[in-house]
Amino acid sequence: AQTVTQSQPEMSVQEAETVTLSCTYDTSESDYYLFWYKQPPSRQMILVIRQEAYKQQNATENRFSVNFQKAAKSFSLKISDSQLGDAAMYFCAYRSANQGGSEKLVFGKGTKLTVNP
Amino acid sequence: GAVVSQHPSWVICKSGTSVKIECRSLDFQATTMFWYRQFPKQSLMLMATSNEGSKATYEQGVEKDKFLINHASLTLSTLTVTSAHPEDSSFYICSVPGLLATRYFGPGTRLTVT
Repeated sequence: AQTVTQSQPEMSVQEAETVTLSCTYDTSESDYYLFWYKQPPSRQMILVIRQEAYKQQNATENRFSVNFQKAAKSFSLKISDSQLGDAAMYFCAYRSANQGGSEKLVFGKGTKLTVNP
Repeated sequence: GAVVSQHPSWVICKSGTSVKIECRSLDFQATTMFWYRQFPKQSLMLMATSNEGSKATYEQGVEKDKFLINHASLTLSTLTVTSAHPEDSSFYICSVPGLLATRYFGPGTRLTVT
């Protein structure tokens, strides 16, 4: 079974600075998707960024980018120019892309990000 | 705008009663919906996969007779917590498959059982 590990329960960053959240995963599959979701205090889950395993190019969405290392099974999230609104729980998630594979999202335990003014 | 809605957003019920939570997909027809449970400061735990027109698929350890799921249409799935007890108090979130393997999540329902 696939597992997702987020080794940083909490992180903090100064406003306007850059922070990197770590995520590693374990899978024997060759094709899959990886996601970062954000859950602010409202508890609404919001998709931050998505990566397809077969793509070598790292995904970027404005101030958010990932460092996807397939061989190392690592998928870190970098937030540049941090803003107060970035404060939230961040969850790394895995989903199989194999035909007939599970549609389930496997979540890590999350990293609580605090942004200091 | 919202892609997935949940109702109610917050409910308090007495121990032993049942409560129904609705999940509506507003922008997509969904043959599959997912129900999660989230305890404070914890991650989302998948409870079951709701299948339109057929029985739900429950995760190991989830009591199917306690958490009744009905997926009666392509836009509506309901979760009924039967004979609720205080330990069922939690945050329940539904999710709908979106484009490019993404998921859209509802805003969640906070259940408090007294």
